[in-house]
Amino acid sequence: NAGVTQTPKFRVLKTGQSMTLLCAQDMNHEYMYWYRQDPGMGLRLIHYSVGEGTTAKGEVPDGYNVSRLKKQNFLLGLESAAPSQTSVYFCASSYLQGSETQYFGPGTRLLVL
Amino acid sequence: LAKTTQPISMDSYEGQEVNITCSHNNIATNDYITWYQQFPSQGPRFIIQGYKTKVTNEVASLFIPADRKSSTLSLPRVSLSDTAVYYCLVGTRTGFQKLVFGTGTRLLVSP
Repeated sequence: NAGVTQTPKFRVLKTGQSMTLLCAQDMNHEYMYWYRQDPGMGLRLIHYSVGEGTTAKGEVPDGYNVSRLKKQNFLLGLESAAPSQTSVYFCASSYLQGSETQYFGPGTRLLVL
Repeated sequence: LAKTTQPISMDSYEGQEVNITCSHNNIATNDYITWYQQFPSQGPRFIIQGYKTKVTNEVASLFIPADRKSSTLSLPRVSLSDTAVYYCLVGTRTGFQKLVFGTGTRLLVSP
């Protein structure tokens, strides 16, 4: 049982490049989330999904897109990366909604030059 | 969403008990209180959750007074490995709610 995994672990992009971050969970969870964490700050919710084929905006969605084509996968896309998107990205999943326990992945560290 | 307030940082020594208090004056009737722990370069990890009175597990205890306007996470006999950031969150378990992670409390345990 791998839990929540994220790919890649680290990436360097140039401004304007695009990339996709992959999150996978093997716990059959309905809910999945993407957060970003900047130095010295808490996590901020980017987008979330309440089930396969559904996505919704979180607190800081601008500049990101997401897709949930399969229940176990949640993809975060950056169409045109900007230096302000330099951050650590965490994916999480939960079985139920609300404040039910969220299980987090190890994070993806992204540097945009 | 109920706003939470917790100390920015705390220092302790190995073997001591650490109590981190979180204020949530606007907590709603259906809200639960949840604490997460985050080590450097890792994602947050669930520690404990409660609704009222006291909850204890193998890692920590959570004390919630009758008015539920605050809660205290208690870590018994901390070790160096308990150095981490601790987040207090408040949210309902019914109906989707976007959890808000504040800046947390940075706990430093020294030898």
